Amino acid sequence: GAGVSQSPSNKVTEKGKDVELRCDPISGHTALYWYRQSLGQGLEFLIYFQGNSAPDKSGLPSDRFSAERTGGSVSTLTIQRTQQEDSAVYLCASSLYTPVGSGSIGTDTQYFGPGTRLTVL
Amino acid sequence: AQSVTQPDIHITVSEGASLELRCNYSYGATPYLFWYVQSPGQGLQLLLKYFSGDTLVQGIKGFEAEFKRSQSSFNLRKPSVHWSDAAEYFCAVGPRGGFKTIFGAGTRLFVKA
Repeated sequence: GAGVSQSPSNKVTEKGKDVELRCDPISGHTALYWYRQSLGQGLEFLIYFQGNSAPDKSGLPSDRFSAERTGGSVSTLTIQRTQQEDSAVYLCASSLYTPVGSGSIGTDTQYFGPGTRLTVL
Repeated sequence: AQSVTQPDIHITVSEGASLELRCNYSYGATPYLFWYVQSPGQGLQLLLKYFSGDTLVQGIKGFEAEFKRSQSSFNLRKPSVHWSDAAEYFCAVGPRGGFKTIFGAGTRLFVKA
């Protein structure tokens, strides 16, 4: 089956422009995550969706960043008025999720997409 | 504060030599533990994970990791490294019953002939 896909693979934009990054999770995965990976850095958690809801938006760096998910599937990460420090690889991941309790584990293994490399000039 | 530390930014080993990549974590409770590998131009791939049970976990590509609660460590090992193992390796922790996974900064592995 298809894995997580992201588009575009590369995006070059000018400072001050808005950008939209797209993530298509694995079919049936209810949990979806966005991360940012800056050069030489680990992964920085941005936001998590369970279905269409985002229980935790605490990782979004500023109010210029927003994300939505529709139909429990595709998600878009929007960065408004981009700045040079936004340049990074943006990774999306999806996983199955089972409610905690009855021996279930909650979140499961995350499967990552190839990422979108964003360059802000 | 919750954190993951990978003390080695990069490591160089000879092909055929053994490998150990270190990972220490700080967490309020026993978390779920993961190792991921990121090859050049590739996405992150799960090598192995620890949820419970046997503290020695076997993964793909001949990797294993051992969870040591007393040391808050989850070191990754491989007995004999292949040139194709050259990549960046990330240790990660996630909460039981939660979702926010915390990643270390990564260790880049170089393999010399």
